[in-house]
Amino acid sequence: SQKIEQNSEALNIQEGKTATLTCNYTNYSPAYLQWYRQDPGRGPVFLLLIRENEKEKRKERLKVTFDTTLKQSLFHITASQPADSATYLCALAGNQFYFGTGTSLTVIP
Amino acid sequence: GAVVSQHPSRVICKSGTSVKIECRSLDFQATTMFWYRQFPKKSLMLMATSNEGSKATYEQGVEKDKFLINHASLTLSTLTVTSAHPEDSSFYICSASRSYSYNEQFFGPGTRLTVL
Repeated sequence: SQKIEQNSEALNIQEGKTATLTCNYTNYSPAYLQWYRQDPGRGPVFLLLIRENEKEKRKERLKVTFDTTLKQSLFHITASQPADSATYLCALAGNQFYFGTGTSLTVIP
Repeated sequence: GAVVSQHPSRVICKSGTSVKIECRSLDFQATTMFWYRQFPKKSLMLMATSNEGSKATYEQGVEKDKFLINHASLTLSTLTVTSAHPEDSSFYICSASRSYSYNEQFFGPGTRLTVL
């Protein structure tokens, strides 16, 4: 069965630094990968989508990479701010759809 | 744009009763709606996918008679948890998409169900 792992359940970084979150997967070949942000007690909010034939995608302070050989996606938040503190979820989509376990990011002022 | 609402936001019910949760896309037509459940500190688990006017497609292990889904229009889908039991207590979240794929889903705020 497919397995999706996101690096450490929790990540703490200093304000202004770049946060890097990892999403690794096995036993699946997604057509595209998505990243979402989820705040406590709320539904996820879509951030970025990257297709299997794309290496990198950017949106403002966000950057996503997708390496189908390594079966890995990296999600970067540059110049991080305390308001970026949330849980970030990756999701794989193809014939089926799976969310990762999420990484809780805390940006320390 | 792309706002999805859910009602109610919280519901507490007695074991054995049925609970209906509504999911509405407020400012767009949702070709597809999805229903998820999420346990504390766990990720979202896709329960079913529904398209307007057709039967929902349930994920493996999800009981279709337990979780009834109706997608009556392009802006409304409902999830009914029938004969609820304490183990059905969870956070239920819907999402809506303009396409037939899993592309760019817009999520509702979720419904916290507690079964006593």
